[in-house]
Amino acid sequence: QSALTQPASVSGSPGQSITISCTGTSSDVGSYNLVSWYQQHPGKAPKLMIYEGSKRPSGVSNRFSGSKSGNTASLTISGLQAEDEADYYCCSYAGSSTFVFGGGTKLTVL
Amino acid sequence: EVQLVESGGGLVQPGGSLRLSCAASGFTFSSYEMNWVRQAPGKGLEWVSYISSSGSTIYYADSVKGRFTISRDNAKNSLYLQMNSLRAEDTAVYYCARVPPQYYFDYWGQGTLVTVSS
Repeated sequence: QSALTQPASVSGSPGQSITISCTGTSSDVGSYNLVSWYQQHPGKAPKLMIYEGSKRPSGVSNRFSGSKSGNTASLTISGLQAEDEADYYCCSYAGSSTFVFGGGTKLTVL
Repeated sequence: EVQLVESGGGLVQPGGSLRLSCAASGFTFSSYEMNWVRQAPGKGLEWVSYISSSGSTIYYADSVKGRFTISRDNAKNSLYLQMNSLRAEDTAVYYCARVPPQYYFDYWGQGTLVTVSS
């Protein structure tokens, strides 16, 4: 399985919105509505932010939203805040209880 | 409160073996599928292995197939990863993670560092 493709970095100013893309194939992202997104601060474990493409776990800000079109999923963060600065990873179910992650995107809040 | 606590990491020589453990608490461990995910220093996340709630179904990433063995003891609320024939490229923080039926990782441990070096 090849890793999903994410931009290496994105940036935005406080209050702005940013979108991180995650491109897979018809065998993973395109086949299942089972993309999840994780936030990881340095030295910390990943934290679930979005599951099943667009659902937010309890406690996650509604500034985080997810979507999918074809083989590409997206994470949008609106109203950027300083604490949003972190690495973000997408992950897709790939069949037979296997998973594939994206390479990660470093978000910088200017 | 759901807690996952990994242990067993350390420094091992190439070709050596190591067994990681993950102690689970705060939920009915025997009802959940579990996974190992790793992260090499400065790199991204990589899925390593899956085990069903009963332990009867197991999958591995191609990069570890034939060298790593995942297992669980539901009576002890514990998940394991036996790692043999370790290589430098296996150096990483290893996380155990819980997977609900909808196939995402909802809880993660704090990770345990495995360093393969002579």
